[in-house]
Amino acid sequence: DVKVTQSSRYLVKRTGEKVFLECVQDMDHENMFWYRQDPGLGLRLIYFSYDVKMKEKGDIPEGYSVSREKKERFSLILESASTNQTSMYLCASSLAVVQFFGPGTRLTVL
Amino acid sequence: AQKVTQAQTEISVVEKEDVTLDCVYETRDTTYYLFWYKQPPSGELVFLIRRNSFDEQNEISGRYSWNFQKSTSSFNFTITASQVVDSAVYFCALSEAYSGGGADGLTFGKGTHLIIQP
Repeated sequence: DVKVTQSSRYLVKRTGEKVFLECVQDMDHENMFWYRQDPGLGLRLIYFSYDVKMKEKGDIPEGYSVSREKKERFSLILESASTNQTSMYLCASSLAVVQFFGPGTRLTVL
Repeated sequence: AQKVTQAQTEISVVEKEDVTLDCVYETRDTTYYLFWYKQPPSGELVFLIRRNSFDEQNEISGRYSWNFQKSTSSFNFTITASQVVDSAVYFCALSEAYSGGGADGLTFGKGTHLIIQP
């Protein structure tokens, strides 16, 4: 069965903190993705990776970075969290075309 | 640039009614993929269907059916005899051709919130 897990369902951080969101997949998928979801805006692609140590910017990479040291793990990093990064963050993985999503992390930045 | 438009922000129907969710897309690629995902109140996106640009056959899966028309750049989703459990946000999404050795992110519409009233 397809399994994508995210380290936290809910997270509260303070402005200026460094924040790590972790995503792990157990399907040996090559590709992994980070999206954020905001009311009225749908899902927007932040970063993606098609191989270990490879990363590509999505549509809204500003204020974020990523790390992929192992195939199964893809981390999203907020170097200095800001209130406008309060959002739902969704991780996904795919072998080819179909993406499978994790449960999401609802991040609140105070 | 690619774009997906779901003009219906929210739809509310009474249980057992049929309901159609509209999706219109824009892309310059000749090879692309279209998707529908369901997001129930729990929040996790559930994959429903993928359709590639060369396959215009309509698809039916139980009470769900999809109508893909390249001529109008539409990929509409119909639920027949709706049930309360169908209540969710539904997203239409587009991915341009999968490039060998690379991955392509999905471009999502803004979603349609479907409410099925008992």
